[in-house]
Amino acid sequence: AQKITQTQPGMFVQEKEAVTLDCTYDTSDPSYGLFWYKQPSSGEMIFLIYQGSYDQQNATEGRYSLNFQKARKSANLVISASQLGDSAMYFCAMREGRGWDQAGTALIFGKGTTLSVSS
Amino acid sequence: DAMVIQNPRYQVTQFGKPVTLSCSQTLNHNVMYWYQQKSSQAPKLLFHYYDKDFNNEADTPDNFQSRRPNTSFCFLDIRSPGLGDAAMYLCATSRDLGSNQPQHFGDGTRLSIL
Repeated sequence: AQKITQTQPGMFVQEKEAVTLDCTYDTSDPSYGLFWYKQPSSGEMIFLIYQGSYDQQNATEGRYSLNFQKARKSANLVISASQLGDSAMYFCAMREGRGWDQAGTALIFGKGTTLSVSS
Repeated sequence: DAMVIQNPRYQVTQFGKPVTLSCSQTLNHNVMYWYQQKSSQAPKLLFHYYDKDFNNEADTPDNFQSRRPNTSFCFLDIRSPGLGDAAMYLCATSRDLGSNQPQHFGDGTRLSIL
């Protein structure tokens, strides 16, 4: 079973509009972290935002916010006021556990969503 | 003020000819990772170092090796590259292995095999 599911292979949005990129996850570990990364066509992987499993509030970083619904195991990324430079592949990822002797220290990525922003 | 630096950005090698990719970091992080990312796919972890402790993923081929001579540098060695090894190779670091630790990536090295 997939640990991270991103169901939208591609999304299209116009400049200045908001867009939501979906992510659902599967884990039985009570302690985990959820991350979103942006990968432009040039290839670098840029860290955007983090949400911890015990965090009470949704994470926000500038125009990025994470809609964390723990009971539904979803961690959707919301980008407000899209810009042309937001066009990229977006990956949702999860780390399970805490401490190097526990299983699942790897960052588990979803398959990604390609976001295209038009003017 | 790049924090995770990968060299070179593009590497071309011949089938079967050993190649080394390099990664350095200025973050003083304990953990360094190597990922392989093939076209239109998610990155796949090959291995990581926690300080000097090497941790290999179970499905990483023996053809891939790594060295970490000091905190700042980590190398990926591909002993006999095959055509299937053409990919983007991403180096990343994190302060430690906790689930709240983001990984910071370099710009990647795109490897082509002739």
